[in-house]
Amino acid sequence: DQQVKQNSPSLSVQEGRISILNCDYTNSMFDYFLWYKKYPAEGPTFLISISSIKDKNEDGRFTVFLNKSAKHLSLHIVPSQPGDSAVYFCAASQSGNNNDMRFGAGTRLTVKP
Amino acid sequence: GAGVSQSPSNKVTEKGKDVELRCDPISGHTALYWYRQSLGQGLEFLIYFQGNSAPDKSGLPSDRFSAERTGGSVSTLTIQRTQQEDSAVYLCASSLVPSYNEQFFGPGTRLTVL
Repeated sequence: DQQVKQNSPSLSVQEGRISILNCDYTNSMFDYFLWYKKYPAEGPTFLISISSIKDKNEDGRFTVFLNKSAKHLSLHIVPSQPGDSAVYFCAASQSGNNNDMRFGAGTRLTVKP
Repeated sequence: GAGVSQSPSNKVTEKGKDVELRCDPISGHTALYWYRQSLGQGLEFLIYFQGNSAPDKSGLPSDRFSAERTGGSVSTLTIQRTQQEDSAVYLCASSLVPSYNEQFFGPGTRLTVL
């Protein structure tokens, strides 16, 4: 069951522009959301998280927005850099339980110089 | 060790053979997780250990899959009588505690069953 969906398998943006990666979820019990970034031949690395009590969390160039009514979250990268080229996974869980975390299929971001 | 390590990095096996995948978590991390990623799919949760115990084994795809963790550290995932559909990247992750805590992932083991 695809409880977390990333409908865009790939995204290409120009260096310096904004990258917007989207994620939708179906389980209204999810209350903790994370983004992971994965380079080829490496495991995913944690990027940013957000709790359902917030609608925005910012960390440098990365901002995650949460719209609970739409069951939608997005990751904004501004400005995008070539080193940001990677696969980005959205993940969600109930009460922050890592053992109950669901991941999306990922979006491959390519930032062109 | 600085991070989570997994071995082997690549494994090619013949259908019907058994394979064993190893994970060394970050020292001190009590929680350990196994996932697999098939082509074009997200990360599929397999099993989770809190210490040496696996409270929930429901994510294992079939009874050909088993996992153990000893000494609260190293874990092995064993797949018996491998099938072609077992081909995937198997990822291990660990976290300091099991909730509201980021997971640190290893580089994965790419398993190919011929």
